[in-house]
Amino acid sequence: GDSVTQMEGPVTLSEEAFLTINCTYTATGYPSLFWYVQYPGEGLQLLLKATKADDKGSNKGFEATYRKETTSFHLEKGSVQVSDSAVYFCALNFNKFYFGSGTKLNVKP
Amino acid sequence: DAGITQSPRHKVTETGTPVTLRCHQTENHRYMYWYRQDPGHGLRLIHYSYGVKDTDKGEVSDGYSVSRSKTEDFLLTLESATSSQTSVYFCAISSGTSPSEKLFFGSGTQLSVL
Repeated sequence: GDSVTQMEGPVTLSEEAFLTINCTYTATGYPSLFWYVQYPGEGLQLLLKATKADDKGSNKGFEATYRKETTSFHLEKGSVQVSDSAVYFCALNFNKFYFGSGTKLNVKP
Repeated sequence: DAGITQSPRHKVTETGTPVTLRCHQTENHRYMYWYRQDPGHGLRLIHYSYGVKDTDKGEVSDGYSVSRSKTEDFLLTLESATSSQTSVYFCAISSGTSPSEKLFFGSGTQLSVL
């Protein structure tokens, strides 16, 4: 069945460091791919999405490219800030949404 | 703000008691979902609805029931709460017209079953 696997956290970085959070998926069709972010005490918010192979989603300095050949959708940011500290979820949607288990990011000043 | 309100925001209850969580939307979206969030499991779908009185089970539906008598309200009921149902519950909505459609989430309900 469809599923999403993302790297386990927590990930701890210093401010201005480069961020990568790995995400791979398994799907029987051609899903859309998403990254959601959850700040403490809040619900999930859409960060970015890509709907087909080779599409790049981007928002707030974050990027992810839909790689069909490697079934991946890794999240990257060139320079993280303390305010980026949150839990990040990779997800796919074909007929239903499937979420990864989440990766907690801690950014230290 | 996607116009989703969950109530209550926090609930403490005892094992064996019934509990109902409410999700209210102002967007007139067709699809509504209930998820639970637990450490190490991410979000898991409990039940969803694709219209008034049209509901279906998700991957972790045992012990839960839902009702949708109006477009704007989706209720999740734990008939007899157990400690394993201690979790954070999120409601989500979407128009559901295509696979690329995104979900909008409520702020969650923290439920503790003692």
